[in-house]
Amino acid sequence: AQKVTQAQTEISVVEKEDVTLDCVYETRDTTYYLFWYKQPPSGELVFLIRRNSFDEQNEISGRYSWNFQKSTSSFNFTITASQVVDSAVYFCALSEARGGGYQKVTFGTGTKLQVIP
Amino acid sequence: DSGVTQTPKHLITATGQRVTLRCSPRSGDLSVYWYQQSLDQGLQFLIQYYNGEERAKGNILERFSAQQFPDLHSELNLSSLELGDSALYFCASSEYPLKSRGQETQYFGPGTRLLVL
Repeated sequence: AQKVTQAQTEISVVEKEDVTLDCVYETRDTTYYLFWYKQPPSGELVFLIRRNSFDEQNEISGRYSWNFQKSTSSFNFTITASQVVDSAVYFCALSEARGGGYQKVTFGTGTKLQVIP
Repeated sequence: DSGVTQTPKHLITATGQRVTLRCSPRSGDLSVYWYQQSLDQGLQFLIQYYNGEERAKGNILERFSAQQFPDLHSELNLSSLELGDSALYFCASSEYPLKSRGQETQYFGPGTRLLVL
């Protein structure tokens, strides 16, 4: 069975600090997708990234970076120089990769990040 | 504004009733996804359509059904509603079906908040 663990329920950081959100997953599939989503206090969902299991290259997008390590089944998300606008709940998710669609999508329980000015 | 619209924004109904949630994807997007977010179950993927065809099925109950019409809008039908169906229902769209390589971006609508009394 698939499982996604976001052990950090809540994190508080002071603005401009770097912060890493952990995501550990379990799957028996050899090919899968990993995702991160953001949900600000306003409630909407924002897609951040999708990573394929065969592509272990780390991704950087502005202040955001993702560290995918298959050996430890982790897909961690780092925000550099955090800002108040980064305050949100962040969800990690895992999906089986077949059939041209998302199969067996499993979400983590989310990490609430509070950035204090 | 993501370009994805969902109606209605709020819906209050009684147990046993049936409701229809509507989603209009971004112009040009062929894939539509439905998600449910509740306090009890967290975030769950329900179903995905691509160009009118079901592409992936997640944790969608048998009392729920969905379809994507020729104009690409999608409807999620919830019947025999129970208290536990109270949740935020999100629709998302993307330009392509899931591709094995390359980045895919999902765009989320604002959600429909359903309250079953």
